[in-house]
Amino acid sequence: AQSVTQLDSQVPVFEEAPVELRCNYSSSVSVYLFWYVQYPNQGLQLLLKYLSGSTLVKGINGFEAEFNKSQTSFHLRKPSVHISDTAEYFCAVSSRYGYNKLIFGAGTRLAVHP
Amino acid sequence: NAGVTQTPKFQVLKTGQSMTLQCAQDMNHEYMSWYRQDPGMGLRLIHYSVGAGITDQGEVPNGYNVSRSTTEDFPLRLLSAAPSQTSVYFCASSSFDRANTEAFFGQGTRLTVV
Repeated sequence: AQSVTQLDSQVPVFEEAPVELRCNYSSSVSVYLFWYVQYPNQGLQLLLKYLSGSTLVKGINGFEAEFNKSQTSFHLRKPSVHISDTAEYFCAVSSRYGYNKLIFGAGTRLAVHP
Repeated sequence: NAGVTQTPKFQVLKTGQSMTLQCAQDMNHEYMSWYRQDPGMGLRLIHYSVGAGITDQGEVPNGYNVSRSTTEDFPLRLLSAAPSQTSVYFCASSSFDRANTEAFFGQGTRLTVV
């Protein structure tokens, strides 16, 4: 079985500052990793995913994440945030053998202030 | 392209009432799933389906039934609503194409049980 821990429930940051949202996972088998974003009163939208290959993954809206197998982490970063990045961010994991079945973390609420 | 469509968007039920949340996708995806989203708990898997006629339980299946008679539709039934089922419900679909694995989410149904 897999599990996901998002280490921060809320992250306040000023506009144009860098941000890192932390995600750790646990699994006894190889995994795929995802970050999804949820804007207020919306469904979830894929930001980026790691399936294999380069451990640095680039996604939409200037976000990137790095897969670290030894630390079982998949932290999300953006060098300069905008007000429009205010949203809830979810890290998710799936097994490579049941890759459609997503297990989500509790979410991190990113609040970007002017 | 509509993607994943959920109806209704909002619903208030009295304890003990039954209802069906509708979910339809037009992407010919094999895999469909239902999640509930509660504050501080992220998204938890209720039921999922790997194709027409095949369903299975997720993490929190009690109080919910599903069926999958067509590829497109995956309704979620609450048999006897309880206040603990007050939540936001999301339907998602994805294909079995490993290289393009991505879950597409509906806009959600906000359910209140009084």
